[in-house]
Amino acid sequence: EVQLVQSGAEVKKPGESLVISCLGSGYSFKTNWIGWVRQMPGKGLEWMGIIYPSDTETRYSPSFKGQVTISVDKSLSTAYLQLNSLKASDSAMYFCARSPITMGPGAFDLWGQGTMVTVSS
Amino acid sequence: EIVMTQSPASLSVSPGERATLSCRASQSVRSNLAWYQQKPGQAPRLLIYGASTRATDVPTRFSGSGSGTEFTLTISSLQSDDFAVYYCQQYIDWPPEFTFGQGTKLEIK
Repeated sequence: EVQLVQSGAEVKKPGESLVISCLGSGYSFKTNWIGWVRQMPGKGLEWMGIIYPSDTETRYSPSFKGQVTISVDKSLSTAYLQLNSLKASDSAMYFCARSPITMGPGAFDLWGQGTMVTVSS
Repeated sequence: EIVMTQSPASLSVSPGERATLSCRASQSVRSNLAWYQQKPGQAPRLLIYGASTRATDVPTRFSGSGSGTEFTLTISSLQSDDFAVYYCQQYIDWPPEFTFGQGTKLEIK
């Protein structure tokens, strides 16, 4: 089955760090872009950044550059989103999504189930 | 940054009727425009890419049109399963940021 499976929900304290994982299966992981999207509670979608696993070319939204790190382990078919120095305002649902080489990088045709992050003291 | 503006913010339509959702870009994105549907508690679903190409398994009642700065998503005959939030997204290569619109909530009238 073609799918992206994300790591589970997290509860963190302010100032802590977090890594969310996104495992791709059923397709060629290396040759499809993987992006990350944030959705704060009750709000819209925010594009965070995208990575091409084959050569690790990475692009960040200016809104998130320096705040997050996107990486990948091709051998594990897994992408990662690292969030540092967490604040309450980082509480959100985070999605990974695939952008096929034929579309992009660009449109996301396959999505993970989302990882809920709660930051609270 | 390219700003994507969707209108209206919410839309009430009766089942069986047509719904027309708009998306405007602050500068040309050519045809690099996608539409997504999101239902509560679910991940978004790709409906349209390249402004007018339906994604796999998307019903033909969904159609996209436009290029440059003005885009439209039309749902020809609304079914109960179509009531959701719809987002547009631009993915032009430069500047390298693929911003979403703020969404249109499609509600049952």
